[in-house]
Amino acid sequence: TQLLEQSPQFLSIQEGENLTVYCNSSSVFSSLQWYRQEPGEGPVLLVTVVTGGEVKKLKRLTFQFGDARKDSSLHITAAQPGDTGLYLCAGDGEKLTFGTGTRLTIIP
Amino acid sequence: GAGVSQSPSNKVTEKGKDVELRCDPISGHTALYWYRQSLGQGLEFLIYFQGNSAPDKSGLPSDRFSAERTGGSVSTLTIQRTQQEDSAVYLCASIPYRRGRLSEQFFGPGTRLTVL
Repeated sequence: TQLLEQSPQFLSIQEGENLTVYCNSSSVFSSLQWYRQEPGEGPVLLVTVVTGGEVKKLKRLTFQFGDARKDSSLHITAAQPGDTGLYLCAGDGEKLTFGTGTRLTIIP
Repeated sequence: GAGVSQSPSNKVTEKGKDVELRCDPISGHTALYWYRQSLGQGLEFLIYFQGNSAPDKSGLPSDRFSAERTGGSVSTLTIQRTQQEDSAVYLCASIPYRRGRLSEQFFGPGTRLTVL
């Protein structure tokens, strides 16, 4: 069974601070996606990374896929209240597997 | 265009009752997933439909759970003899087609099921 562990599980920081959340596994994934979910809604895709070592930027969000394609990180610069939500990684290996989630709260 | 819709948005039922949850995927999407999400945590895979292929039912937690997809479009997830541990948000997602497993999943808003 492929598992994706996300850390931290909960994170609450002040507006303007930087943060990094992690998605780790002992399994190799052919690709990895990051989603953000807001209360009462379904997850929405932020990015897909497919190459080991790949870095993608989406405005203030930077996503990195580990060289061995077993892990990924999401870094947010100058966090804003609109970044609040549940961040989920999803790896595509034997089947699509979602991570345990990081609940991020940005305090104005 | 219309996204994925799910109904009902909320369902409260008594233990032992059967429930049916409905998912209307985006028109033309060939693949459909059902997930369960407890307490705002990660998503637990339940079942996957792709075109006319036999569904992947490997995530269904017990034989009380079943799902069907009629005409390659609307899907219904049925939970028989509901238990309190079935309480969760049930999410449906559709994807246009399975191209190298990189396709974006388009999620519905979910059905919040509460079993009393």
